[in-house]
Amino acid sequence: SQQGEEDPQALSIQEGENATMNCSYKTSINNLQWYRQNSGRGLVHLILIRSNEREKHSGRLRVTLDTSKKSSSLLITASRAADTASYFCATDRESGGSNYKLTFGKGTLLTVNP
Amino acid sequence: EAQVTQNPRYLITVTGKKLTVTCSQNMNHEYMSWYRQDPGLGLRQIYYSMNVEVTDKGDVPEGYKVSRKEKRNFPLILESPSPNQTSLYFCASSLYRDRGPGEQFFGPGTRLTVL
Repeated sequence: SQQGEEDPQALSIQEGENATMNCSYKTSINNLQWYRQNSGRGLVHLILIRSNEREKHSGRLRVTLDTSKKSSSLLITASRAADTASYFCATDRESGGSNYKLTFGKGTLLTVNP
Repeated sequence: EAQVTQNPRYLITVTGKKLTVTCSQNMNHEYMSWYRQDPGLGLRQIYYSMNVEVTDKGDVPEGYKVSRKEKRNFPLILESPSPNQTSLYFCASSLYRDRGPGEQFFGPGTRLTVL
């Protein structure tokens, strides 16, 4: 079953606007990560937030984590056409014996119109 | 250049013909994993490896095998491919710390079609 679920499935905005994507998960985690994928290509890591952190920034990206609600959000400020891509959250969870599975959500397709 | 390589990039095969997709990383990463990506389903983890000779099932392991005999290589084996294994496959690697796998570095993907 999917651990992370992104919302919305698709988002279309104008250049310069902010884009917010949400991720919900089911079980306790150590880390939550966000990735970006341009059509059919390999995923690229954006940011990692640990379970004891509440907010993290990287350039135009802001990630929040609410472990009580089992949810995270990714905010992209002042979006650009080049931000058009699919965005995925990924959570890790212990699978016994210190093994960690990594589970990705289904992704949010962001379209930034010039 | 730090990278994860996969071969082949594209493969068309027939049902039942055994195949191997190779994955290699040059970053001395402990954690390696395989994913398949299907429309509407996102990425699903097939198998992962914490280190040499340590592998475990992901969420969709049926029909796949892996091995980790060397730290840099993590091949994916389909003993008897079926059409439902037609998919885009990604290999990824990362450092592993006591708080789980870190930033994943992805390969370019292998598009597999099973007829």
